Amino acid sequence: EIVLTQSPATLSLSPGERATLFCRASQSVSNYLVWYQQKPGQAPSLLIYDASNRATGIPARFSGSGSGTDFTLTISSLEPEDFAVYFCHQRDNWPPTFGQGTRLEIK
Amino acid sequence: EVQLVESGGGLVQPGGSLRLSCSASGFTFSIYAMQWVRQAPGKGLEYISGIGSNGDNIYYADSVKGRFTISRDNSKTTLYLQMSRLRPEDTAVYYCVKGIAASPGYYFDYWGQGILVTVSS
Repeated sequence: EIVLTQSPATLSLSPGERATLFCRASQSVSNYLVWYQQKPGQAPSLLIYDASNRATGIPARFSGSGSGTDFTLTISSLEPEDFAVYFCHQRDNWPPTFGQGTRLEIK
Repeated sequence: EVQLVESGGGLVQPGGSLRLSCSASGFTFSIYAMQWVRQAPGKGLEYISGIGSNGDNIYYADSVKGRFTISRDNSKTTLYLQMSRLRPEDTAVYYCVKGIAASPGYYFDYWGQGILVTVSS
């Protein structure tokens, strides 16, 4: 199965700063990479699908890029509600797999 | 509004059984694949089972194959997960998850709040 490695494990930033999160796949997943946000005590919610498409209602400060094995989630200017855990997910190969998550915390 | 509400979790002894249910509303349940994804305490997400819109295209992760059975009742808009021969490593929050297509294997646009299953003596 495809292993997704997210980095960093924890990212400490302040509101207003730019956040860059990475997800690397053990083999190519084309552009079939998805990002979810999980706030404490809540279920994950869809952010970005197929590497770069924002889900309905997701603010423009969230953007995704990449293809093949290397992907990036960028939050251009952090809002207080953005501090959460972010997971990547590949749907190119069976079984679907998830990264271990990046915790974005307030500095 | 899409709602996915899980029930049936709780504490069970190793080797025991449990049946999870997920009641769905706010969308046409019968045309979308549904999945179960779990999250062990402090860990990441694990896709464990998926079922196509018609009850076909069933998938199980190796970790649960032969012990868990996924099913759905489109007339009741309900998804099920029958879990047997439970192990301590099955302890997790189990999420009911809606896919964006009729077959499993796409991405997931709605998640339930999750239900805790604890396997312990």
